[in-house]
Amino acid sequence: DGGITQSPKYLFRKEGQNVTLSCEQNLNHDAMYWYRQDPGQGLRLIYYSQIVNDFQKGDIAEGYSVSREKKESFPLTVTSAQKNPTAFYLCASRSGAGGNSPLHFGNGTRLTVT
Amino acid sequence: GEDVEQSLFLSVREGDSSVINCTYTDSSSTYLYWYKQEPGAGLQLLTYIFSNMDMKQDQRLTVLLNKKDKHLSLRIADTQTGDSAIYFCAETSSSSNTGKLIFGQGTTLQVKP
Repeated sequence: DGGITQSPKYLFRKEGQNVTLSCEQNLNHDAMYWYRQDPGQGLRLIYYSQIVNDFQKGDIAEGYSVSREKKESFPLTVTSAQKNPTAFYLCASRSGAGGNSPLHFGNGTRLTVT
Repeated sequence: GEDVEQSLFLSVREGDSSVINCTYTDSSSTYLYWYKQEPGAGLQLLTYIFSNMDMKQDQRLTVLLNKKDKHLSLRIADTQTGDSAIYFCAETSSSSNTGKLIFGQGTTLQVKP
């Protein structure tokens, strides 16, 4: 079955440590996105990539980094510079930038930093 | 700037209809989406509507779009306990070449037996 796999489902880190969240898709989608979700808030865009080896900052990119070396993979690194890293992180992909290609989401990674 | 607003909470009895409302500000919005999120899970696409449509029906779901008032609604007929979830409205614009979606805060639907 095609889909988006995020791993791990739960992640715990100590403050000051960098951590990388994995996102893999086998949908052959060109575009991939990382969103952050906090309780009672909508989704906020962190980074997105429309093509391999290219990515752009979203609305809240500070303290995060990404890479897009392969079409299938779009890992997100939460660095120690991110002031409030504890959140639910969602990866998504779509076949193109057109509105008639909806976003497909993974099941998310819940990151807790103490 | 672009903004999408939703009420935060809705409670209904099983078997009743649920209506979740959404307003948006971007007049160039082209596609409007409804997503469902169950606890601890990602977002599942329920349906979407193109801006040249007024209504779309899919089984128990009816989407109504009022372009003049920039108002979108999702009606769930015969609401079941399994419909309890957070529902997100989102929009994208044809003028955007990023495919970026703007999401509302989400409406928590509580279905009482």
